[in-house]
Amino acid sequence: ETGVTQTPRHLVMGMTNKKSLKCEQHLGHNAMYWYKQSAKKPLELMFVYSLEERVENNSVPSRFSPECPNSSHLFLHLHTLQPEDSALYLCASSQGLAESYEQYFGPGTRLTVT
Amino acid sequence: AQSVAQPEDQVNVAEGNPLTVKCTYSVSGNPYLFWYVQYPNRGLQFLLKYITGDNLVKGSYGFEAEFNKSQTSFHLKKPSALVSDSALYFCAVRDNTNAGKSTFGDGTTLTVKP
Repeated sequence: ETGVTQTPRHLVMGMTNKKSLKCEQHLGHNAMYWYKQSAKKPLELMFVYSLEERVENNSVPSRFSPECPNSSHLFLHLHTLQPEDSALYLCASSQGLAESYEQYFGPGTRLTVT
Repeated sequence: AQSVAQPEDQVNVAEGNPLTVKCTYSVSGNPYLFWYVQYPNRGLQFLLKYITGDNLVKGSYGFEAEFNKSQTSFHLKKPSALVSDSALYFCAVRDNTNAGKSTFGDGTTLTVKP
């Protein structure tokens, strides 16, 4: 459970605010991911990083901006969000990008946009 | 393209009875299949995976899953359910033509009643 940590756990922000979500993994993994989990919708992959390089950007609006300064840390910068962006944002890591590796998830940040 | 289907939104079983949570998949290449569990207000937790080899895979907390290539299925099973198994279960697939990207099913809510 403590392998991947996320802060804050809960965040309420107005549509004009700027905030950042932080993820840290203590597993020595090389790949990190951001997912969006909305009620009654499947898990949506947003971004994938491998060795600090972005390898996937899944048609995510530009109001979401990821940053991966090193292999242990991943940020999601948020600005001018919409109410429909309210969701649970999950960070995950894996040993690498190979298809055989499972992912380890953080507890998520529950985001509410008012 | 890859996809995963979990045909049941909800599965209810009595404590002590066997449980099955169903998953079928579609991939272009060789399938790499995973089961994850999500407890309330938590991230997803890895349970088990099929990479190659034995079709019956054993994982955490007494869970197992059977890979069936002809039926393209990977059902999760447990011989004797516990109340504490009540949670949301996700099946996921990765294939060797789309490294880095997992596709998750919509999830199945398992309720185990005392």
